[in-house]
Amino acid sequence: GQNIDQPTEMTATEGAIVQINCTYQTSGFNGLFWYQQHAGEAPTFLSYNVLDGLEEKGRFSSFLSRSKGYSYLLLKELQMKDSASYLCAVTYTGTASKLTFGTGTRLQVTL
Amino acid sequence: DAMVIQNPRYQVTQFGKPVTLSCSQTLNHNVMYWYQQKSSQAPKLLFHYYDKDFNNEADTPDNFQSRRPNTSFCFLDIRSPGLGDAAMYLCATSSGGHEQFFGPGTRLTVL
Repeated sequence: GQNIDQPTEMTATEGAIVQINCTYQTSGFNGLFWYQQHAGEAPTFLSYNVLDGLEEKGRFSSFLSRSKGYSYLLLKELQMKDSASYLCAVTYTGTASKLTFGTGTRLQVTL
Repeated sequence: DAMVIQNPRYQVTQFGKPVTLSCSQTLNHNVMYWYQQKSSQAPKLLFHYYDKDFNNEADTPDNFQSRRPNTSFCFLDIRSPGLGDAAMYLCATSSGGHEQFFGPGTRLTVL
């Protein structure tokens, strides 16, 4: 199988920093995506990592370590509107860009 | 500027009554996907088209069929909806190996 593991739920305070971790099976790894999904809405693209290291995009950053099968999404200066589910998804070689999703991490931002 | 359009946004059908969900795209992407997402779960890939080449996931029930008459349109047919088929159905597109763009989804209710 190609299990992708994320914490189920996280809570953080407005203005704080939160890190959402994702682990995956490394065999055949091609690339890793992070999507944000608000309740009842479609997922929206946040980031794509193919190489090791940190990709920064505004308040959001994503990190990848291919040897460890590990990624994290870092959200800075949290806002109430960041309350959503964050989905880690991986593509594997030979699967025609199919995304294998983790179960998602539901983030609750509180005052 | 909608790129991936799904109609209808909300669909109510009766148990056993066939239903068709539609998806269209203005991106000219060669790959189109259909996902099923149940509450608090990750999207589950049902099938995808790579150009006209249909690829069914091994665990997709026979009750689910798909058609792609041209590059822009893709349909999901549920031949005999059961109560367990109530879910959000997401259409996505990609240009192969890259980011997937999701439509807003169709929420299906089965009475």
